[in-house]
Amino acid sequence: QKEVEQNSGPLSVPEGAIASLNCTYSDRGSQSFFWYRQYSGKSPELIMSIYSNGDKEDGRFTAQLNKASQYVSLLIRDSQPSDSATYLCAVRASTGRRALTFGSGTRLQVQP
Amino acid sequence: EPEVTQTPSHQVTQMGQEVILRCVPISNHLYFYWYRQILGQKVEFLVSFYNNEISEKSEIFDDQFSVERPDGSNFTLKIRSTKLEDSAMYFCASSLSGLAGNEQYFGPGTRLTVT
Repeated sequence: QKEVEQNSGPLSVPEGAIASLNCTYSDRGSQSFFWYRQYSGKSPELIMSIYSNGDKEDGRFTAQLNKASQYVSLLIRDSQPSDSATYLCAVRASTGRRALTFGSGTRLQVQP
Repeated sequence: EPEVTQTPSHQVTQMGQEVILRCVPISNHLYFYWYRQILGQKVEFLVSFYNNEISEKSEIFDDQFSVERPDGSNFTLKIRSTKLEDSAMYFCASSLSGLAGNEQYFGPGTRLTVT
């Protein structure tokens, strides 16, 4: 069973701080990694994708991937109350597979 | 900005009835997917579809489920005989390719309630 694990939270940070969200995955053959944001009652919204080891930055978001440790993270700089949501880590397994395996998500609360 | 659309937003049906959930993927995308999320649980993959055939399916996607692309724009999920445990949010997604750039974009979802 391929697993994607996330701390369910809530992770509470003050406005303007950096929020750090973490995810581990069990399938060493995993190829692609994604972060989605999901507001309550809404659908997952793609924030970032990352395919290679290292950091990838997009605005206030930075995704970090370490395949040796099977670990992917998302940093949100200058957190805003509007960032309060559940952040889902999703992993696409081996080449040729299309399915995303999702973690259960980390709930982020940004305190004004 | 192009987006995935889904209808209806909410479907209530009785156990044993057939339901069809509809999706219009992003127009130039080639890969289509259905996922579901039972309340309070993880998003789960059901099926992927490419070139008018299923390319991958999960254990959840049993004989009660089927998918179809009836025309050039719609993509449907049919549940033949609904059960109480089929109550969930059903999300359609699409992606441009199935390769490394497999970024999947989700529609707003259909909430299915089976009574």
